[in-house]
Amino acid sequence: DTGVSQDPRHKITKRGQNVTFRCDPISEHNRLYWYRQTLGQGPEFLTYFQNEAQLEKSRLLSDRFSAERPKGSFSTLEIQRTEQGDSAMYLCASSPRTAPEQFFGPGTRLTVL
Amino acid sequence: QKEVEQNSGPLSVPEGAIASLNCTYSDRGSQSFFWYRQYSGKSPELIMFIYSNGDKEDGRFTAQLNKASQYVSLLIRDSQPSDSATYLCNNFNKFYFGSGTKLNVKP
Repeated sequence: DTGVSQDPRHKITKRGQNVTFRCDPISEHNRLYWYRQTLGQGPEFLTYFQNEAQLEKSRLLSDRFSAERPKGSFSTLEIQRTEQGDSAMYLCASSPRTAPEQFFGPGTRLTVL
Repeated sequence: QKEVEQNSGPLSVPEGAIASLNCTYSDRGSQSFFWYRQYSGKSPELIMFIYSNGDKEDGRFTAQLNKASQYVSLLIRDSQPSDSATYLCNNFNKFYFGSGTKLNVKP
């Protein structure tokens, strides 16, 4: 088991561009979470999937953010029309069916210029 | 009021001392809390979870949950310099994390 992986690890983009991040959870983990973390803050919840169903989505999330998990395996997070305030570390985590603890990936650091 | 509140610190303790980290929460119905450790530049990693009132011990770590007072704490006994990190309190029922308490253990 190689753990949760995220791609890319770093992304620099210009304001207004769209970006997409990918998360591959630990094999057999049916739950997947996306968080955003800025310096000095804890992870901020964005959305949660159980298998392919998106069960929770933060009210803080604007319409520019969308996430998918089409086959209940990997997930993508897309940010449209990026703004400088979107600059952050985007973390993905997964949980097994039988336990609630979350295993985090290394994150994707987004810088919006 | 934030859902989960932590003192940002830094909390400085000498090596070998007990470090006490605290967290308060606003949702009275919450039942499950997790403590994660996050080293600088790294992702959070789980230390302990607690579901019921009282204490739960795991090695040098003890988690305490007091539902009546709505606080969760983490005690680290015999603190080591390698314990220096930010500790995050997580209300699992609501997916909320506190902002974290930075711990410095001085040799």
